[in-house]
Amino acid sequence: GQQLNQSPQSMFIQEGEDVSMNCTSSSIFNTWLWYKQDPGEGPVLLIALYKAGELTSNGRLTAQFGITRKDSFLNISASIPSDVGIYFCAGKAQGAQKLVFGQGTRLTINP
Amino acid sequence: DSGVTQTPKHLITATGQRVTLRCSPRSGDLSVYWYQQSLDQGLQFLIQYYNGEERAKGNILERFSAQQFPDLHSELNLSSLELGDSALYFCASSVGMGYLNANTGELFFGEGSRLTVL
Repeated sequence: GQQLNQSPQSMFIQEGEDVSMNCTSSSIFNTWLWYKQDPGEGPVLLIALYKAGELTSNGRLTAQFGITRKDSFLNISASIPSDVGIYFCAGKAQGAQKLVFGQGTRLTINP
Repeated sequence: DSGVTQTPKHLITATGQRVTLRCSPRSGDLSVYWYQQSLDQGLQFLIQYYNGEERAKGNILERFSAQQFPDLHSELNLSSLELGDSALYFCASSVGMGYLNANTGELFFGEGSRLTVL
């Protein structure tokens, strides 16, 4: 079945630093989504990508749909305390009935 | 607010018991998905319904069952509960089936039901 490898699993950074995380898949996807989950809450959609090579921003967040269609990247610039949480990538292959989720990247910001 | 409503928010019960979790999707969404998230784990897909019919099944135990009603709300039934069933259970909804080209694939999640089995 389809698998997503999300890395890193966790990050410990200082406030103000930039953050990068990525997901790779074993198959070609036609949709990549990035979600953020705050503690005790449900995941919230941050960015959606639908075309290979697409680069989309949402405030300090930027995500890219890899040109191979097997990977995606999320960058957060100038991190702030409220960026703490778990970030999930998710992808969907054409014709697939459901999203496949990565295992998540837990972001911790040191004061 | 995603528009997806889940109840109850918290549930504590004993091993061997049975519970029902309820989900109301966003207005207009026909698909409902159930996910399980154990402590510090990722989202494990359980099952999907579209307009009342089961469409996809993930790693859902035989002790678990779900259904989607004519008004599109869904219930997840967990029976013969074990300690390992303690987790956050999320419901998500989307407009379409998930495999149509016109469907963006975006899911909108509820806030989850936290189940604790003692």
